Amino acid sequence: ENVLTQSPGTLSLSPGERVTLSCRASQSVDSNYFAWYQAKRGQAPRLLIYGISIRATGIPDRFSGSGSGTDFTLTINRLEPEDFALYYCQQYGSPPLTFGGGTKVEL
Amino acid sequence: EVQMVESGGDLVQPGESLRLSCAASGFTFNNYVMNWLRQAPGKGLEWVSYISTSSTTIYYADSVKGRFSISRDDGKNSLYLQMNSLREEDTAVYYCARDWGGSQPRWFFDLWGRGTLVTVSS
Repeated sequence: ENVLTQSPGTLSLSPGERVTLSCRASQSVDSNYFAWYQAKRGQAPRLLIYGISIRATGIPDRFSGSGSGTDFTLTINRLEPEDFALYYCQQYGSPPLTFGGGTKVEL
Repeated sequence: EVQMVESGGDLVQPGESLRLSCAASGFTFNNYVMNWLRQAPGKGLEWVSYISTSSTTIYYADSVKGRFSISRDDGKNSLYLQMNSLREEDTAVYYCARDWGGSQPRWFFDLWGRGTLVTVSS
């Protein structure tokens, strides 16, 4: 299976800062089938990005995704208070679909 | 409001059974393939099971194959997960999730529930 490793595990930041989250796959991800989610305790996870760089419906443009092959990045420009959360990457190019272990963005 | 709400999580002993439910509202449930995913304490998300529209195609993760059974009732806008022979390693928050692709699976998920906690412990 394609193992996804996210780094760093935790980031301590302030509102207004720019943050870059990394996700590395153990095998090349087929056909740009890569997504990012945001999760908060007690809430439903939210799809942010799919197809490496396509923002999901309603996602603000301060969120952007990039990358190819085995290295992928989620960038959040100008952190808002509601952006402090857990972020997970996912590949869906080869079964079984897999997720990374998550990066926590904390205040 | 477009949402899904899971229920049925509980504390059970190893070997016991449990049935999870997911009630969908605000969208045409029968037009979407559906999935169950889970997250064990301190671990990442894990896909568990898939069911197509009309229940024609079903898949399971190897870790639950032969023990779990997914089903749906489109008349009730509901998704189910029957979990038998539960093990301590099945302890997790279980989420139902809607596939972005509608009736054609794309294998990423644009609507999730808040999850229901299953604890398997003696």
